[in-house]
Amino acid sequence: QKEVEQNSGPLSVPEGAIASLNCTYSDRGSQSFFWYRQYSGKSPELIMFIYSNGDKEDGRFTAQLNKASQYVSLLIRDSQPSDSATYLCAVKMSSTLGRLYFGRGTQLTVWP
Amino acid sequence: KAGVTQTPRYLIKTRGQQVTLSCSPISGHRSVSWYQQTPGQGLQFLFEYFSETQRNKGNFPGRFSGRQFSNSRSEMNVSTLELGDSALYLCASSRANTEAFFGQGTRLTVV
Repeated sequence: QKEVEQNSGPLSVPEGAIASLNCTYSDRGSQSFFWYRQYSGKSPELIMFIYSNGDKEDGRFTAQLNKASQYVSLLIRDSQPSDSATYLCAVKMSSTLGRLYFGRGTQLTVWP
Repeated sequence: KAGVTQTPRYLIKTRGQQVTLSCSPISGHRSVSWYQQTPGQGLQFLFEYFSETQRNKGNFPGRFSGRQFSNSRSEMNVSTLELGDSALYLCASSRANTEAFFGQGTRLTVV
C-alpha cells in the first residue's frame, strides 16, 4: 500500500510569515516528489518538484527532501494572502511512469 | 506552449447515461493520467496511458474506461452514470518519469 500523508490542516498564518507544509510517504521506491497548489474550484498547479535529497529553492518556495526519513516539506516564505489554497503533496514511483500518489492536501490560509 | 486541454469544461448528465471526456496533452508528452476528485475522497487515480497502452489502473468499476490515440490524446468514458460519479475529472500529462501538468478539468454533475 503506497501512502502519502500530509499534516492535517487547516493551517493559518499571518501575512509575511513562513508557512511550513509537511508530507511523509510510505514507499521507499518513491523517486520524484511534487507540490501542487489548488485554488478552490480550480485544477492543481505544479509549483515545486524535487528529485534529490536536500533543499531546492524557487523564489519564495523551498522544497526539502529527506529520503532516509521518507519526508518532504514545502516552506513558503513571506506568505501572501494569494497563497491561500490547498497544497497537495504528490509522489511518483520509478516503475509507474506518470502515475502520482497524492496526499489529501493541507488547506493554507494567509490572513492580512 | 499550449497546456493540457480538457473538454468539455462542464457537463450535466442524467443517471444511466454515458459520458466521454477528452484530454489533449502538452505537445511531446506521451503519458496521460486521469484522476477523479471529490470533496470526500480527494484525488483518486483512474488510469494511466503511455504510447496508446494502459499502464496502470486504479480501483474503479469497469464502467470507467479509457483509451489513448496515436497523437497521445486521451478519452475516458463512464457508462451507466450514477449520482456518485459527480466529480471533477482531471487529466495530467507528462513525459515519462518527469513532472506532470494538469488540465483545467471537467466538472461532471449527474442528476
